Amino acid sequence: DGGITQSPKYLFRKEGQNVTLSCEQNLNHDAMYWYRQDPGQGLRLIYYSQIVNDFQKGDIAEGYSVSREKKESFPLTVTSAQKNPTAFYLCASSSDNALWDNRYEQYFGPGTRLTVT
Amino acid sequence: QKEVEQDPGPLSVPEGAIVSLNCTYSNSAFQYFMWYRQYSRKGPELLMYTYSSGNKEDGRFTAQVDKSSKYISLFIRDSQPSDSATYLCAIILKAAGNKLTFGGGTRVLVKP
Repeated sequence: DGGITQSPKYLFRKEGQNVTLSCEQNLNHDAMYWYRQDPGQGLRLIYYSQIVNDFQKGDIAEGYSVSREKKESFPLTVTSAQKNPTAFYLCASSSDNALWDNRYEQYFGPGTRLTVT
Repeated sequence: QKEVEQDPGPLSVPEGAIVSLNCTYSNSAFQYFMWYRQYSRKGPELLMYTYSSGNKEDGRFTAQVDKSSKYISLFIRDSQPSDSATYLCAIILKAAGNKLTFGGGTRVLVKP
């Protein structure tokens, strides 16, 4: 089965602890993204990566960090510097072959719900 | 002003009715338009994708883009209770690294 997996589905942490969310894809997509979704709101971009060993900040990168050491994997660390980390976190990927197939759509994983108390 | 505006709903319709969803956007440079469906506590799934003005049909779904008015719509014909979900519009500005900008989503309830 091709797709995006995120683990764990639910994560609980104490305030002040760093936590890492996993995202793996076997779609052979070049680009990967992390979004945050708060209740009743749309998705906000945290970080994205268009190629291995390179990534860029999105709209709300403060308090988060990422790495992209492998094409298939794009883990997100929520650090203690993130003021309000409780949210639903979504990972997505897209083919970066837009030059010849004009396709930019992103495909999402099932999400990780993080609760920090 | 948000770049993409979407009425949060909820929009409640009887089974079999047409569901009409809309988004407006502010940046005329936006080029690619998508609709995602998101069930509660799940990741969004892509429903429709288009990059030109006009209509695009896929089964019971029709996406409509009016670039001159900066307005996009999604119509769901013969709605079913299984269509109850949150619908998110998303728009790409190609020059901005293919980043998606999302509307806030509209919650739809189809009552049997």
